[in-house]
Amino acid sequence: DGGITQSPKYLFRKEGQNVTLSCEQNLNHDAMYWYRQDPGQGLRLIYYSQIVNDFQKGDIAEGYSVSREKKESFPLTVTSAQKNPTAFYLCASSLGTSGYEQYFGPGTRLTVT
Amino acid sequence: QKEVEQNSGPLSVPEGAIASLNCTYSDRGSQSFFWYRQYSGKSPELIMFIYSNGDKEDGRFTAQLNKASQYVSLLIRDSQPSDSATYLCAVSGGSGNQFYFGTGTSLTVIP
Repeated sequence: DGGITQSPKYLFRKEGQNVTLSCEQNLNHDAMYWYRQDPGQGLRLIYYSQIVNDFQKGDIAEGYSVSREKKESFPLTVTSAQKNPTAFYLCASSLGTSGYEQYFGPGTRLTVT
Repeated sequence: QKEVEQNSGPLSVPEGAIASLNCTYSDRGSQSFFWYRQYSGKSPELIMFIYSNGDKEDGRFTAQLNKASQYVSLLIRDSQPSDSATYLCAVSGGSGNQFYFGTGTSLTVIP
């Protein structure tokens, strides 16, 4: 059963703590992405990765970090430097970065208080 | 200027009517065009993609692409209350090899 999984579905953290969001795909896709979505807003790109051990900053990378040690996995760390971390975080993957459709995981809703 | 622009709506149509959603894009070199549906609190789901000028039909959905005018549209025939969602237009394959999303159009189908 191919797809993208994100865990956990809901996450609560105290201000000042780093938190890591998981994203795994078994679609054999080369490219993976992290987006942030705030209520009533569109998707904003945080980071993306075209291949293993390589990733690029998106439009709002400050306060976030990623790694891509395996093709299947692209975890996102929300650091304490991120000023407004409460949001809906979406992971996506695609065969490549140019012209290919992206498929999304179910998302993680992070609340920081 | 945004890469992809959509009317945010909300767009309301009665059940059984045709819903028409529009999107314009700025990069004339864009090659691939996608429509996603996002229910409230859920992640986006791909419903259509189109690469060539003209119409592409899939069930009640028709995607229309006009590269000369740089617009892409989605028609939903026989609209159902279950079609009520936000529809995101996405464009890819342009000069920057980036994937750009519009901010979405909220559609409500009234029973």
